Amino acid sequence: AQKVTQAQTEISVVEKEDVTLDCVYETRDTTYYLFWYKQPPSGELVFLIRRNSFDEQNEISGRYSWNFQKSTSSFNFTITASQVVDSAVYFCALSEFTYGGSQGNLIFGKGTKLSVKP
Amino acid sequence: KAGVTQTPRYLIKTRGQQVTLSCSPISGHRSVSWYQQTPGQGLQFLFEYFSETQRNKGNFPGRFSGRQFSNSRSEMNVSTLELGDSALYLCASEVGFGLETQYFGPGTRLLVL
Repeated sequence: AQKVTQAQTEISVVEKEDVTLDCVYETRDTTYYLFWYKQPPSGELVFLIRRNSFDEQNEISGRYSWNFQKSTSSFNFTITASQVVDSAVYFCALSEFTYGGSQGNLIFGKGTKLSVKP
Repeated sequence: KAGVTQTPRYLIKTRGQQVTLSCSPISGHRSVSWYQQTPGQGLQFLFEYFSETQRNKGNFPGRFSGRQFSNSRSEMNVSTLELGDSALYLCASEVGFGLETQYFGPGTRLLVL
């Protein structure tokens, strides 16, 4: 069965610190998708990234970076020079790989609540 | 470009009733997915529709159903409501053909009494 574990329930940092959110997944599939989402206090989910298991290259987008390691089944998310606006709950998710763009059955982790203090 | 809209935003129902929630995707998007978020179970995938066809379904009982219209608007229905159906229901839209960005609506908060 597929499973996503986000062991860090809550993290608190001071502004400008770097912070890494951990995500470990379990799947028997050889191909799959991995995702990260952000849910600020307003409640609306924000899609951050979708990565397919074919591509193990790390991804960087501004202050955000993702480290995908198939060998350890991890897809960690790092925020560099954190800001107060980064305060949110972050979810990691896993889905089966499908052709044609289908979403697949998404399995979410329990989330990590990040608080960035000024 | 208008974002994803969900109506109603808040809803109160009683056990045994049924409810219909609506999601209007971004213009041009053909895929709509639905999610349930509760404090106990967290975020769970309900189903995904693409061009009026259900492409995927999560592990929910048959009381949860959905459909998509030719204009890509989607509705989800929950029949015979239970207390445990109280949740935030989120929908997301995307073009639907590959690795695109998903856009989420603000959600409908359902309270079952």
